[in-house]
Amino acid sequence: KAGVTQTPRYLIKTRGQQVTLSCSPISGHRSVSWYQQTPGQGLQFLFEYFSETQRNKGNFPGRFSGRQFSNSRSEMNVSTLELGDSALYLCASSSRRSEDYGYTFGSGTRLTVV
Amino acid sequence: AQSVTQLDSHVSVSEGTPVLLRCNYSSSYSPSLFWYVQHPNKGLQLLLKYTSAATLVKGINGFEAEFKKSETSFHLTKPSAHMSDAAEYFCVVSDPFRKLQFGAGTQVVVTP
Repeated sequence: KAGVTQTPRYLIKTRGQQVTLSCSPISGHRSVSWYQQTPGQGLQFLFEYFSETQRNKGNFPGRFSGRQFSNSRSEMNVSTLELGDSALYLCASSSRRSEDYGYTFGSGTRLTVV
Repeated sequence: AQSVTQLDSHVSVSEGTPVLLRCNYSSSYSPSLFWYVQHPNKGLQLLLKYTSAATLVKGINGFEAEFKKSETSFHLTKPSAHMSDAAEYFCVVSDPFRKLQFGAGTQVVVTP
């Protein structure tokens, strides 16, 4: 089956702009979570969505937001970009069935803020 | 609260020799534990997972890990390293709310 698809793969934005990243989960997976990866902070949890509802949120400012659509696709938005938002943003999808429990990650979106 | 500590930031091995990546965890719950690998400029690939079944878990590409509750450890091993194993490896713990906590990562270098 198809994996987790993240678009775009690369983005360059200017400080102050906003950006939207997209994630299409594995077919049948209803849980989508987002992570930020930076050399300094490593991998940090942003938020998780399940059936269009945000279930968990990490310790990020309100400039980071997300949503999930009825087909389980998810978007993440960052407003008023700062240089420190430059990172690899990874999306993971998961089945909530315990026997299938695990997370499949996409290849990520590399965001560079200049 | 939960946390993960990967005891080595860098591991260098010769091709054909065993690999050991060490991970200790702390969790208030009965944990689910994972090992992921990340090759340069790639996403994360699941190697194996422990979810309270057998304590010795076999994964892909010849990797395995043993869950030791008494030692709060989940070390990853492979009997014979291959050049393609050069990558960064992450030990991960999941809480009951499905939030993943990642270790800092171990960079593996394989020399011919």
